[in-house]
Amino acid sequence: DGGITQSPKYLFRKEGQNVTLSCEQNLNHDAMYWYRQDPGQGLRLIYYSQIVNDFQKGDIAEGYSVSREKKESFPLTVTSAQKNPTAFYLCASSIAPNYGYTFGSGTRLTVV
Amino acid sequence: EDQVTQSPEALRLQEGESSSLNCSYTVSGLRGLFWYRQDPGKGPEFLFTLYSAGEEKEKERLKATLTKKESFLHITAPKPEDSATYLCAVRSFGNEKLTFGTGTRLTIIP
Repeated sequence: DGGITQSPKYLFRKEGQNVTLSCEQNLNHDAMYWYRQDPGQGLRLIYYSQIVNDFQKGDIAEGYSVSREKKESFPLTVTSAQKNPTAFYLCASSIAPNYGYTFGSGTRLTVV
Repeated sequence: EDQVTQSPEALRLQEGESSSLNCSYTVSGLRGLFWYRQDPGKGPEFLFTLYSAGEEKEKERLKATLTKKESFLHITAPKPEDSATYLCAVRSFGNEKLTFGTGTRLTIIP
């Protein structure tokens, strides 16, 4: 079955540590997105990519980095520069602008 | 800038008690309005896409409608398994991303 796989489901980060969240899709979608979800707030866009080897900053890109070396993969790195990284992170993909997103199951990141 | 406001923030209904959730939006030109369902600790699940005022979509106990300024998600005779957070999002022409509302948390009491 086609879909988006996020891993790990739970991730713990120590202060000053970089961590990478994985996002893989087998839907053959061109566009991929990373959102952050906090209680009481809507989904906020971190980064997005329309094609391989190209990506754009979203509304809250500071302290995050991404790469898009393959169509299927869009990993997100949470760097030590992100001061409040504890959140639920969602990866999504879309086949075309007229269509909505297909979401992964999310990664919950906690700073310890 | 696209804006989406959902109301109410939370809604508790008795099983079988029908109601509606509201999504008000402001966009320069609507390309699509999307409804999602999200269960705790999981990613949002796609429900409906609406493209133009007057359009309606139905799925089981859910019916989504669209006007030029808002969308409603009507839930008829809900069951406990309909309990979830319902998210509304819009995409405007020339915009490469969806803008989401903060959601309505729906609880159906048996």
